[in-house]
Amino acid sequence: EAQLVESGGGLVQPGGSLRLSCAASDFTFNIYEMNWVRQAPGKGLEWVSYISDSGTTIYYADSVKGRFTISRDNAKNSLYLQMNSLRAEDTAVYYCARITYGSGSHYFDLWGQGTLVTVSS
Amino acid sequence: DSQMAQSPSSLSASVGDRVTITCRASQSISSYLNWYQQTPGKAPRLLIYAASSLQSGVPSRFSGSASGTDFTLTISSLQPEDSATYYCQQSYSPPYTFGQGTKLEIK
Repeated sequence: EAQLVESGGGLVQPGGSLRLSCAASDFTFNIYEMNWVRQAPGKGLEWVSYISDSGTTIYYADSVKGRFTISRDNAKNSLYLQMNSLRAEDTAVYYCARITYGSGSHYFDLWGQGTLVTVSS
Repeated sequence: DSQMAQSPSSLSASVGDRVTITCRASQSISSYLNWYQQTPGKAPRLLIYAASSLQSGVPSRFSGSASGTDFTLTISSLQPEDSATYYCQQSYSPPYTFGQGTKLEIK
């Protein structure tokens, strides 16, 4: 069964850095576009970043542009999110999510379980 | 950027009721509208994609429709396990914005 498993979350001080990983299994990772989505405690979902299957096209939410970097290693079936200059408002559960195409559209059909990032002194 | 206005923010309904949640896009997004269900402590689950296509494994009491920039998620006969928060999302172009969410409570 296809699966995504995030890791790398934890407690970090404001201004610090953290690198999240998302390990994919039981599907052909290198043909899928991927995303990071976050959810602050008690709040709604916020899309963070997108990367194409080859890694050549990347987008970021304005709230993280210039501080976060998305990347992937298709040989390792892994997605990453390098987070620098972290702020209290970056505290959230971070999910990786796969994009699938169908019915002339595309959507996030597979999600990981999430990893919690807490930014606090 | 396309903003998604979702309503209501919360509602309470009884088992067997017909429930409707609405999402309005700030600009045309064609049919690039998806609906997700999330229960506490869990990842979101895809229910409807392309405005009206039912994701595999999702009960047929869930349906979606579209009219211009207005989109609707309908649960035809509410079940206890439908207690959750529901989100719409546009996938027309990045940023792939979500609605604010609708918390559905079972009376």
